Amino acid sequence: NAGVTQTPKFQVLKTGQSMTLQCAQDMNHEYMSWYRQDPGMGLRLIHYSVGAGITDQGEVPNGYNVSRSTTEDFPLRLLSAAPSQTSVYFCASSSTNPGEAFFGQGTRLTVV
Amino acid sequence: DQQVKQNSPSLSVQEGRISILNCDYTNSMFDYFLWYKKYPAEGPTFLISISSIKDKNEDGRFTVFLNKSAKHLSLHIVPSQPGDSAVYFCAAPYAGGTSYGKLTFGQGTILTVHP
Repeated sequence: NAGVTQTPKFQVLKTGQSMTLQCAQDMNHEYMSWYRQDPGMGLRLIHYSVGAGITDQGEVPNGYNVSRSTTEDFPLRLLSAAPSQTSVYFCASSSTNPGEAFFGQGTRLTVV
Repeated sequence: DQQVKQNSPSLSVQEGRISILNCDYTNSMFDYFLWYKKYPAEGPTFLISISSIKDKNEDGRFTVFLNKSAKHLSLHIVPSQPGDSAVYFCAAPYAGGTSYGKLTFGQGTILTVHP
């Protein structure tokens, strides 16, 4: 049972480039989220989905797009990368057990 | 506006002693709280939670206490072990217990347990 799988684990982008961070879960969870972790800031919610076809913005959504075409996958797109998007990104999925989210291992993104 | 705050960036304790990690919150609508543990280069993992209808929840060496009047919770680890060395995050669902996986986090506290 893989849980939540994120790819890639590391990525370096140039300013203005685009890319997609992949996230897949095999627990049949309806709820999926993307967070970013920055020093001294904890984890901040970027986007959220309550099921296939339904997404919502989190605390820091600017510069990011998401879609949810299947229950399993929740990709995060950076359309035009900026140095401020240098961070560690975590994808999570949740069942209806309140608040308990399962996290992937993270993607460390550097924008130069 | 950080609604969940961990004001101690780091804590150092001796093996076998008690570790106490603190967390404060500002939103009185929060009705569920969680603690996550994170090792370097890994994602956070769920540790323990507490509902606002309780003031204590215990799971082995880990106990979480909730003081609603003070909007304060704490995580006690007894006895502390070197393997407990990690970053600990306090979190709460944005809109209460039905905000499944939609969490707001504190800044984290780095716990170091010395042998």
